[in-house]
Formats: sequence, C-alpha cells, structure tokens
Amino acid sequence: AQSVTQLDSQVPVFEEAPVELRCNYSSSVSVYLFWYVQYPNQGLQLLLKYLSGSTLVKGINGFEAEFNKSQTSFHLRKPSVHISDTAEYFCAVISISNFGNEKLTFGTGTRLTIIP
Amino acid sequence: GAGVSQSPRYKVAKRGQDVALRCDPISGHVSLFWYQQALGQGPEFLTYFQNEAQLDKSGLPSDRFFAERPEGSVSTLKIQRTQQEDSAVYLCASSLGVAVEYTGELFFGEGSRLTVL
Repeated sequence: AQSVTQLDSQVPVFEEAPVELRCNYSSSVSVYLFWYVQYPNQGLQLLLKYLSGSTLVKGINGFEAEFNKSQTSFHLRKPSVHISDTAEYFCAVISISNFGNEKLTFGTGTRLTIIP
Repeated sequence: GAGVSQSPRYKVAKRGQDVALRCDPISGHVSLFWYQQALGQGPEFLTYFQNEAQLDKSGLPSDRFFAERPEGSVSTLKIQRTQQEDSAVYLCASSLGVAVEYTGELFFGEGSRLTVL
C-alpha cells in the first residue's frame, strides 16, 4: 500500500518570497505523483503531475515540483508567491500496480498563507 | 455541465437520519470516485465506479454507507442512520478514462458538507 506524508501542516510566507511545500511518499512499486490545490470554498484542482519522463514538472500558476526517486520526495516550489496562492495544497500518489483502479492516496495537506 | 456538480452543497442531519448526496460527473467520464474529507485532513477514498460497475468499495467505513451509479452517469452516496463521526465533506471526482496513462487527472466537485447533530 502507498502513503503520502506532508510534514508541514501550515506554511506562512511573505508575499514575493519563495516557498517549498514538502511531500514524501512510500510505495513498494513505481508511482505517479500529483499536487492538487484547494482554494477556499472551491473543489480540488490539479496543479501538476508526474507520470514519467523529466523529473522536473511545471504546473499552473508558476508552480513546479521535482520527483526524486532516491529520496522518495515530490516537493512543490514557487520562486515568488502571490496573495492569490493562499490555499490548501495536497500531495497525492497512485501506485502503478493499481492500474485500472486508479484511486489517489492523499496527504493531510499543507495550508499556505501568504503574508502581505 | 462543464464541471462535476454535487448537491446539496450543505446538509445538516439529526443523528439517525438517512441522507443522500448526489454527484453529476462531467459528461462522458467513465470513472467516478467518492472521497470523504474530515476537517483538517486530506481526502480519504471511499469507493470507485467504472461506468455503472462499482469496482472498489474498500474505503466505505461501514455498511451504513452505500453508493450507486445505475446508468453509468449520476451517482448517489447514501448514508443510513447518520452518526456524528460521519460529519465531513464528501467529494466526488470523475475522470475520462480507465487507465492512468490518459492524463492522470481527476476532476473534483466542490463537495457536499454534511453536519450531523
């Protein structure tokens, strides 16, 4: 079975500062990795994903993440945050052995708060 | 519609009442998922449909929870004899295909917030 750990439940960051949201996963097989964002009173929205290929993945709103297999990590980064980035961010994993039954396993989320 | 639609958005139930939550997936989406999101937690998988077939219900917490998708489109999650611990946001998501190689993306609705008093 797979699992996802987001160690930081809350991250406050000053506007225009860089941010990194950490995600580590555990799986006995190869994985697909995702970051979803949940803005206040809205549904979850895909930010970016790693399926294969380049380990550096770029997503919407200037976010990027790097898949590191040796460290089993998929940290999310943005070089300069904006007030509108205030949201809850969830890391998620699908184990490839679940092919055909692609349920996501989510982390507990990181609340990103941007300080003006 | 353009996105996944869930209703009601908010539901308050007295303990012991039955509730039904509806999900309208994106038209043509084969896969449909239900997740439960407790306060301060990430979404937890409940059940999965491929068209009308319920292929995985391993996440349903008890036999009070029941889900159906009789015609392969709209789905209903029913909770019988609600308990306070059932209070959560129930999320529905759909995806186009059955294999994760398609895009790997689930499209989520805004959720139904259930409060059991």
